Amino acid sequence: DAGVTQSPTHLIKTRGQHVTLRCSPISGHKSVSWYQQVLGQGPQFIFQYYEKEERGRGNFPDRFSARQFPNYSSELNVNALLLGDSALYLCASSFGQGGADEQFFGPGTRLTVL
Amino acid sequence: QQPVQSPQAVILREGEDAVINCSSSKALYSVHWYRQKHGEAPVFLMILLKGGEQKGHDKISASFNEKKQQSSLYLTASQLSYSGTYFCGTESGGTSYGKLTFGQGTILTVHP
Repeated sequence: DAGVTQSPTHLIKTRGQHVTLRCSPISGHKSVSWYQQVLGQGPQFIFQYYEKEERGRGNFPDRFSARQFPNYSSELNVNALLLGDSALYLCASSFGQGGADEQFFGPGTRLTVL
Repeated sequence: QQPVQSPQAVILREGEDAVINCSSSKALYSVHWYRQKHGEAPVFLMILLKGGEQKGHDKISASFNEKKQQSSLYLTASQLSYSGTYFCGTESGGTSYGKLTFGQGTILTVHP
């Protein structure tokens, strides 16, 4: 079975631009969470979507938005990019919404903002 | 609040044991452990639930002390493949249901 997939693998943008990152969860999983990982730190929670509804939001500005589609795939959008948005963006999928569910990470999208 | 992991770094020789600790100031519902190698995504190791049993597979096991809001990851007879950064992710239930808060990581290096 395929694991969590993310696209693109790498992305280079300039300040002020917009970016869309994509994630496909493990087949049968209904929850997708997005995390930002800055070099040398642990992942930081951005959003969780379950059954196409936002179920949790981390401490990120409104420039960050996301959505989940009927097939449970998800997009993360970031507007007006800043240099500080440079990071590895990870998508994690789980069967359910809760803390008792194992979350499996995709390979991530490395975003560089110049 | 971010859980605190200790130690920050560990250096071992193959076959030696290590313990990595994760401590939270908040009441926890679950603790998730991951290993991340350089340039790769975190890989799920195990999950411990409040009221649940100590988990383990192969030579890696973990415990969860609910009274102290602490979890420990035990690596026995370490192998070269154990090298990487270990993260604990904690979940507190309530409005944080499903949201993992990660520690700063413990860098484990295993030498031949």
